[in-house]
Amino acid sequence: EDQVTQSPEALRLQEGESSSLNCSYTVSGLRGLFWYRQDPGKGPEFLFTLYSAGEEKEKERLKATLTKKESFLHITAPKPEDSATYLCAVQAFNNDMRFGAGTRLTVKP
Amino acid sequence: NAGVTQTPKFQVLKTGQSMTLQCAQDMNHEYMSWYRQDPGMGLRLIHYSVGAGITDQGEVPNGYNVSRSTTEDFPLRLLSAAPSQTSVYFCASRWGQGSPGELFFGEGSRLTVL
Repeated sequence: EDQVTQSPEALRLQEGESSSLNCSYTVSGLRGLFWYRQDPGKGPEFLFTLYSAGEEKEKERLKATLTKKESFLHITAPKPEDSATYLCAVQAFNNDMRFGAGTRLTVKP
Repeated sequence: NAGVTQTPKFQVLKTGQSMTLQCAQDMNHEYMSWYRQDPGMGLRLIHYSVGAGITDQGEVPNGYNVSRSTTEDFPLRLLSAAPSQTSVYFCASRWGQGSPGELFFGEGSRLTVL
């Protein structure tokens, strides 16, 4: 069965303190790996799609990377406005989408 | 540009009552889906549709019905609400089932069943 595990469950950083979020997955043929940001009381908002091992995507202070077993979301010099829950999801070749439970990031000023 | 619109945002039901969560999208997406989100768990797929007149079950379909009479609308019906259905429900859409692509989510509907 396809599985997605995100770690840590929660992460508290000081403003400017860089770190990484992990998404480990097992899937029967990866069609795409997705990162979303979710603010409290809102729906998830799309950040990145990665399709193959070695691929990287960047957006402002965020950079997503992909290997055959996991993906990392690197946050460089975070700001308080980066506080949110970050969700990882994998789409298999049968088009099923499986989500992880998310990492709740808090950035203190 | 409204995107995906869900109503209501909040609802309280008593056990055994029925209700419908509404979802509409204005992006002409073929694929629409309903997820539920519970603390400590990932989003779980309830039902999905790959086009008008076509629906299928997801991971947790029991207790829910869907229909898709138009491309734009995809309502979720709770037939006889149970406390286990207390959750936040999200409707999401994307272009087509046959291609990878990000989901566009609504703002969510928070349901409490007493």
